[in-house]
Amino acid sequence: GNSVTQMEGPVTLSEEAFLTINCTYTATGYPSLFWYVQYPGEGLQLLLKATKADDKGSNKGFEATYRKETTSFHLEKGSVQVSDSAVYFCALSENTNAGKSTFGDGTTLTVKP
Amino acid sequence: NAGVTQTPKFQVLKTGQSMTLQCAQDMNHEYMSWYRQDPGMGLRLIHYSVGAGITDQGEVPNGYNVSRSTTEDFPLRLLSAAPSQTSVYFCASRPLGRDYGYTFGSGTRLTVV
Repeated sequence: GNSVTQMEGPVTLSEEAFLTINCTYTATGYPSLFWYVQYPGEGLQLLLKATKADDKGSNKGFEATYRKETTSFHLEKGSVQVSDSAVYFCALSENTNAGKSTFGDGTTLTVKP
Repeated sequence: NAGVTQTPKFQVLKTGQSMTLQCAQDMNHEYMSWYRQDPGMGLRLIHYSVGAGITDQGEVPNGYNVSRSTTEDFPLRLLSAAPSQTSVYFCASRPLGRDYGYTFGSGTRLTVV
């Protein structure tokens, strides 16, 4: 079956540091890939997505590139802020009519001032 | 647009009681899902639906029932609550197909005593 593996957290950074959260996947065919963010006490929000190989998704200073050769979709941000503290989930949707989704376990990011 | 609306936000049940968690979306999304989120276990899929009248089981369906009589509504029923069902429950919806991300509700925090 499909699976998504994220780097284990928690991750603690100082403000303005560079962020990388690793995500690798296993899937048949060509899935779409997503990053979601969950702030405390809230539901998940879609952060960015990429639907084919070499696509780069970006939003709010975050970026991730769909790497088919390494089956990866690592999340990056050049300069994190305290307000970026949240849990980040990597996910895929399989290449079928319904596009069933699989989520990673989430990575907790804390940014200290 | 209201998006995905979940009610109630908080609920305390006694063991053996039954209840229904409500979920409604106003985006005409075909695909709807219920997840539970527990500490250290990420999101686990309970049930999902690809359209009115069609439902299917996820990875942790035991103890839960769903129905989908309309496109908008996807209630989750707990048949006989158990302490193991203490969790945060999220409803999510999206269009069919692999290229679309989910819109999540804000969650229902359920405690079974």
